[in-house]
Amino acid sequence: EVQLVESGGGLVQAGGSLRLSCAASGFSFSIYWMSWVRQAPGKGLEWVANIKQDGSEKYYVDSLKGRFTISRDNAKNSLFLQMDSLRAEDTALYYCARDSSNLGQFEEWGQGTLVTVSS
Amino acid sequence: EIVLTQSPATLSLSPGERATLSCRASQSVTTGYLAWYQHKPGQAPRLLIYHASNRATGIPARFSGSGSGTDFTLTISSLDPEDFAVYYCQQRTNWPPMYTFGQGTKLEIK
Repeated sequence: EVQLVESGGGLVQAGGSLRLSCAASGFSFSIYWMSWVRQAPGKGLEWVANIKQDGSEKYYVDSLKGRFTISRDNAKNSLFLQMDSLRAEDTALYYCARDSSNLGQFEEWGQGTLVTVSS
Repeated sequence: EIVLTQSPATLSLSPGERATLSCRASQSVTTGYLAWYQHKPGQAPRLLIYHASNRATGIPARFSGSGSGTDFTLTISSLDPEDFAVYYCQQRTNWPPMYTFGQGTKLEIK
């Protein structure tokens, strides 16, 4: 059974940092692109970033302006999101998601980890 | 950047009725990568449709997708009580692979 389990969320002050983790199991993690998707309270889904299988390519939503960094550790079947210079508008439920093999859609999702940024 | 606009924002229907949800893109989705998701409170989003018209694994036949270019539709032929949720469309750019979602349609029980 495919499982994606996020952790690392919490309450942080504006300007602070947080590192999210996603533990993957039940599939060959190293052969898939992976993404982070977030949902602010009362809002829709927003794709945040993705990373190639070997970590050599990473892409981000333009609005982040370089504040977040996605990474992975294939040996530990783990995905990460380093979030710096956090703002109130970064408050959201952050989902880890597995990209499909053709990169068209997200086949598997975690349950999410909540990040709250206080101003 | 391709903007996806979903309509209506809220759709009120009764179990057994047919639901038609629309997703319009600001420019043509030339990749053909248009997906639909179902999202219920407290749960992970669930992939329903990919490549505009292909049902994902395990998705009931009452869900169908159609469309191309800038206009896409998700149809639920006969609503089951478990179908009431928020539905999102999503597209992928050509390269680099970046994604955008529509703002969602809330399907509520009438």
